[in-house]
Amino acid sequence: DSGVTQTPKHLITATGQRVTLRCSPRSGDLSVYWYQQSLDQGLQFLIQYYNGEERAKGNILERFSAQQFPDLHSELNLSSLELGDSALYFCASSVEGQGFKAFFGQGTRLTVV
Amino acid sequence: TQLLEQSPQFLSIQEGENLTVYCNSSSVFSSLQWYRQEPGEGPVLLVTVVTGGEVKKLKRLTFQFGDARKDSSLHITAAQPGDTGLYLCAGRPTLRSFVFGPGTRLSVLP
Repeated sequence: DSGVTQTPKHLITATGQRVTLRCSPRSGDLSVYWYQQSLDQGLQFLIQYYNGEERAKGNILERFSAQQFPDLHSELNLSSLELGDSALYFCASSVEGQGFKAFFGQGTRLTVV
Repeated sequence: TQLLEQSPQFLSIQEGENLTVYCNSSSVFSSLQWYRQEPGEGPVLLVTVVTGGEVKKLKRLTFQFGDARKDSSLHITAAQPGDTGLYLCAGRPTLRSFVFGPGTRLSVLP
C-alpha cells in the first residue's frame, strides 16, 4: 500500500460525458502528479500540483483540468469524453516537488463506451 | 519520438538467469528513475540516480547512470519469478515535465 488513494477504481461512462477522478496523497506529501497510461502511449505525464499551485504541465488536453485543494487532495476532471480517453489514470504524490520519491496510487481505470 | 527509449521491449528468461535492460536518450537528464509496475498496480519507485557514472545496488538489482547522463541500465542477478513486471525508466527533461520510457516487460519463468 503506497498510501496514495484514488477513487473510483473503475469508471465506465459514455462518450461526451464528464467525470471527476479523485486522489488523496500520502499524509504530509505536498505534491500531486497525474498520469495517463494507455497501451499505445505508455505512461504520459499530465500535470503536477505543489501545495495548491500548478507546478508543471505535460500532455494534458484542454478538455482535461485538475486542481489541488487546501487539504491537498486533488481532482482530475475529464470532459467531452472520447473513446480514446479510455485509459488508466494514475495519481502520484511526493513530499517535495521534484518527483524524486513519488508514490503512485493504484489508478482509476476509465472506460469510455 | 520518445525522449526515453528502452530495450529490449520484452524479455522472457528462466529463473536464475542474469539480465540487463537499458534506458537511452539523446538528451541529458539531471536524474533518472527506475520503476517496476505489476499488472493492476501503480509503478513502484526502485531507485533514483543523479550523478553521472553512479552505480546503485538494491539487493540483486544494480543500476548504473551513464557518464554523460543520457543513459542508464538495470542489471538483475539470479532473476526470480517475483521480479516479473514492467520496468520503466523516467526522467525530467525540463524542470516542468516528466517523461517515462515505454518499458521493458520482463517475465521470469520458474
